[in-house]
Amino acid sequence: DQQVKQNSPSLSVQEGRISILNCDYTNSMFDYFLWYKKYPAEGPTFLISISSIKDKNEDGRFTVFLNKSAKHLSLHIVPSQPGDSAVYFCAASGINAGGTSYGKLTFGQGTILTVHP
Amino acid sequence: GAGVSQSPSNKVTEKGKDVELRCDPISGHTALYWYRQSLGQGLEFLIYFQGNSAPDKSGLPSDRFSAERTGGSVSTLTIQRTQQEDSAVYLCASSPGTWSFPREKLFFGSGTQLSVL
Repeated sequence: DQQVKQNSPSLSVQEGRISILNCDYTNSMFDYFLWYKKYPAEGPTFLISISSIKDKNEDGRFTVFLNKSAKHLSLHIVPSQPGDSAVYFCAASGINAGGTSYGKLTFGQGTILTVHP
Repeated sequence: GAGVSQSPSNKVTEKGKDVELRCDPISGHTALYWYRQSLGQGLEFLIYFQGNSAPDKSGLPSDRFSAERTGGSVSTLTIQRTQQEDSAVYLCASSPGTWSFPREKLFFGSGTQLSVL
């Protein structure tokens, strides 16, 4: 049961344009969402996060939008740069009943972003 | 080093053999996680250590998998009687584990590529 889904395996964008990466989730207990970026032969690195009490979080060129009613989040990169080419993972977490599991993330399958010069 | 260190970076083994994967987390980080990424899949949670608490082993796929963390620092993931479906990149991550730190901002190592022939 895939609780976090990234339905687009890949995305190709021209340099300077906007990149929009999408993510859907099914578990209503998720209350914190993150995006990680991964280059080949490296571990994922944290990019940006959002709590379920917000619907938008911005950090420089990166903005994450959360639509709780649709159980959907998206990552916008504006403007896109060739160095942004990487695999982007959406992840989610929530406090388990009776305890906490911070860091126990549920990841999507990833989207390969290619930004062309 | 300043980051999470994993060894070996690559491991090729024969079906039925045991393997040990090592993770050296960032100094001072009390939380340590193991994830794996199979081909074409997202990151899959395996196990989580937090300080002296009992580990969360809920993600271990079978009893052939075990992990320990000695002295609250280095961790070893052991896979006994390896199978071809165990082939994956095994990623270790750590985090400060404090409430004030942004949740789920994990610091990943570069991973161990395990190939079971």
